[in-house]
Amino acid sequence: DAGVTQSPTHLIKTRGQHVTLRCSPISGHKSVSWYQQVLGQGPQFIFQYYEKEERGRGNFPDRFSARQFPNYSSELNVNALLLGDSALYLCASSLAGTNEKLFFGSGTQLSVL
Amino acid sequence: AQSVTQLGSHVSVSEGALVLLRCNYSSSVSVYLFWYVQYPNQGLQLLLKYLSGSTLVESINGFEAEFNKSQTSFHLRKPSVHISDTAEYFCAVSDGAGANNLFFGTGTRLTVIP
Repeated sequence: DAGVTQSPTHLIKTRGQHVTLRCSPISGHKSVSWYQQVLGQGPQFIFQYYEKEERGRGNFPDRFSARQFPNYSSELNVNALLLGDSALYLCASSLAGTNEKLFFGSGTQLSVL
Repeated sequence: AQSVTQLGSHVSVSEGALVLLRCNYSSSVSVYLFWYVQYPNQGLQLLLKYLSGSTLVESINGFEAEFNKSQTSFHLRKPSVHISDTAEYFCAVSDGAGANNLFFGTGTRLTVIP
């Protein structure tokens, strides 16, 4: 079975642009979480979605938004990109809406110039 | 919100040696504790976790961690490391059942020297 897949793997944008990152969870998993990992730091929670509803939001500005589709895939959108948004964006899926076992994708490396 | 402290951003040990990676978290009534490992160019993988019960938990590849509530610690150790253990290790905590996010430490990069 395929693991969590994220696309694209790498992305380069300029300040002020918009970006959409995509995630497909493991088949059967209904929960998707997004994390931001800045170089040299641990992942930081952005959003969790379960059954297409937002279940949690981290301390990120409103420029960050997400949604989950009927097939449980998810998109993370970031508007008005800043240099500080440069990071590895990780998607994780789980069977239910709990954190007892998260399966992470390899991430999307976003560089904002 | 929880906070997680991992002492030592880089640790180098010789193959076959004992390694201890430290993790402390801010206190809470009940927590779930995790160690994740990130190999180069890969996503994070769950190494082991403490939810309840025995305070000593083990992974299938020889790592173990012990939950110490009084010291708010969850240190990871392996008696004899292998070169394939070279990776970055992240300690994480969540506020028990029903929590929807993990709080991660800054990670410890382990290098095993042949």
